[in-house]
Amino acid sequence: AQSVTQLGSHVSVSEGALVLLRCNYSSSVPPYLFWYVQYPNQGLQLLLKYTSAATLVKGINGFEAEFKKSETSFHLTKPSAHMSDAAEYFCAVSAYNTDKLIFGTGTRLQVFP
Amino acid sequence: NAGVTQTPKFQVLKTGQSMTLQCAQDMNHNSMYWYRQDPGMGLRLIYYSASEGTTDKGEVPNGYNVSRLNKREFSLRLESAAPSQTSVYFCASSARGRDYGYTFGSGTRLTVV
Repeated sequence: AQSVTQLGSHVSVSEGALVLLRCNYSSSVPPYLFWYVQYPNQGLQLLLKYTSAATLVKGINGFEAEFKKSETSFHLTKPSAHMSDAAEYFCAVSAYNTDKLIFGTGTRLQVFP
Repeated sequence: NAGVTQTPKFQVLKTGQSMTLQCAQDMNHNSMYWYRQDPGMGLRLIYYSASEGTTDKGEVPNGYNVSRLNKREFSLRLESAAPSQTSVYFCASSARGRDYGYTFGSGTRLTVV
């Protein structure tokens, strides 16, 4: 069965600091992995996805994530946080043999000036 | 704009009242989903539809019914609303394939008093 674990329900960083949001996955088949962002009072939008091509995936707004099979991880990073990055971030893995996604419980990112 | 449209955006119901949440997508996607989002619990799947004419239960289906009216529309009905159904509801759609991911609507914030 597939699952994802997001370590840390809340992460706080200063503006300009590195953002690191952690996601570990479990999958019985080669995984497809996704990061979504949810700004306050909005729906979720796709940040980036890994679909077995390059292991370093670049997304919107300067975010990127690296797929590490040996560590079963897909952590999200951004070199320099901006106030507008404050949001909730969800990691997801594609379920086996269906179109469904299995979501983590989310990480709320706060950015302080 | 292409995407997933949910109506209404906000709703207040009294306990025992019924209502239908509407969802429509114009991307010719096969699969559609209903999730609820509650603080600290992430996204929980209520029902999904892999194609027109088929629906299946997710992890929290009790108290809800769905209809896949056609390929575009997937509605969620609360027959007798309860305070425990106070939540934010999201509809999503996806094309065929594990690597596609979801497109989300902007959500319906429902309060049951």
